[in-house]
Amino acid sequence: GAGVSQSPRYKVAKRGQDVALRCDPISGHVSLFWYQQALGQGPEFLTYFQNEAQLDKSGLPSDRFFAERPEGSVSTLKIQRTQQEDSAVYLCASSLRPHLGGEQYFGPGTRLTVT
Amino acid sequence: QQQVKQSPQSLIVQKGGISIINCAYENTAFDYFPWYQQFPGKGPALLIAIRPDVSEKKEGRFTISFNKSAKQFSLHIMDSQPGDSATYFCAASKSGTYKYIFGTGTRLKVLA
Repeated sequence: GAGVSQSPRYKVAKRGQDVALRCDPISGHVSLFWYQQALGQGPEFLTYFQNEAQLDKSGLPSDRFFAERPEGSVSTLKIQRTQQEDSAVYLCASSLRPHLGGEQYFGPGTRLTVT
Repeated sequence: QQQVKQSPQSLIVQKGGISIINCAYENTAFDYFPWYQQFPGKGPALLIAIRPDVSEKKEGRFTISFNKSAKQFSLHIMDSQPGDSATYFCAASKSGTYKYIFGTGTRLKVLA
């Protein structure tokens, strides 16, 4: 079946612009995660959804970052007034049974470059 | 402590050799330890995972060794192949939180 898809794959934004990154999880996966991966580093947790409920947003670095999943499927990560330090790959992952330590399946990521 | 420390940062192995990557953690509440493989321009893909109730898990050429008392776990890639050249990440999570804490990654190069 289809995996996790993300769009756009690449995004260049001027400093101060707002951006929106989209994630389509695997069909039927109730849990969705966003991670930020800086160059040469491991992914860092941003936020977690179970269906439409955002249960953990402890990793969001500032109030410029906002995520939503209104219908419990597609999710959007929005970054307002982008800064150069926001440049990174943003990864989305979905999971069927996270409460059982279920595997997280990652999408290809969106590479954001802020100039 | 939420950190997961991974070593080495990079590794070069001859074809057919054994690749060994190590991770250490502090939080004894962690109860799930996956390893991910990432190729350039791709998202991480799950390789193999282990829970603390077993000391070793093997899937094909990939083996996780887990030492609960030392709070360490490692990935062994037997008969390493050039196609295994990628970046490998260990991670840890604990029930109830679900988020993964990733190591900093190991860039593996297998020479033909």
